[in-house]
Amino acid sequence: ETGVTQSPTHLIKTRGQQVTLRCSSQSGHNTVSWYQQALGQGPQFIFQYYREEENGRGNFPPRFSGLQFPNYSSELNVNALELDDSALYLCASSLADGHGYTFGSGTRLTVV
Amino acid sequence: EDQVTQSPEALRLQEGESSSLNCSYTVSGLRGLFWYRQDPGKGPEFLFTLYSAGEEKEKERLKATLTKKESFLHITAPKPEDSATYLCARRDRDDKIIFGKGTRLHILP
Repeated sequence: ETGVTQSPTHLIKTRGQQVTLRCSSQSGHNTVSWYQQALGQGPQFIFQYYREEENGRGNFPPRFSGLQFPNYSSELNVNALELDDSALYLCASSLADGHGYTFGSGTRLTVV
Repeated sequence: EDQVTQSPEALRLQEGESSSLNCSYTVSGLRGLFWYRQDPGKGPEFLFTLYSAGEEKEKERLKATLTKKESFLHITAPKPEDSATYLCARRDRDDKIIFGKGTRLHILP
């Protein structure tokens, strides 16, 4: 059974650029959610996808968008990057019942 | 606004010294209370899900309990390898997952 894998592991971008982060869900999981974790803070919920539809969103602006594909893998896109977007971005997958979420190791994004 | 508050922010214990971590949450629409362990530079590792007051779950030296307003993570006779940040999170009726800031636990040998 494979876990959740995220790519890339590290990324440096310039303010104003756009970035795409990728996530492969754990086998059998049909729900994926994304989180932003600043240093020393808990993860902040960005949004969740179930069967390719967004079904929950946190307090993030529209420049944070996502996709879920038929194989349940997912992308997080962030446009017009700001310095405050620098953080660890985590992806988690689960079954629709949400009994437990399996996290990937994250993508460390630095915006300069 | 839905909140999850964890205390203490940091805790240093001697090996074998038992203690408890606290997680308090707003009550309305709870659809699950989660505990995770996070090691530096890694994603959170799932520990427990609790759903209703009075529920308890155990795993090795850890036991999680739930009341109507709080959850506790009890650590019995901890070892240095239990050192990590422990995160509490709630899932609400809109499927939003709200995390606390975590408790940084350090077990001294």
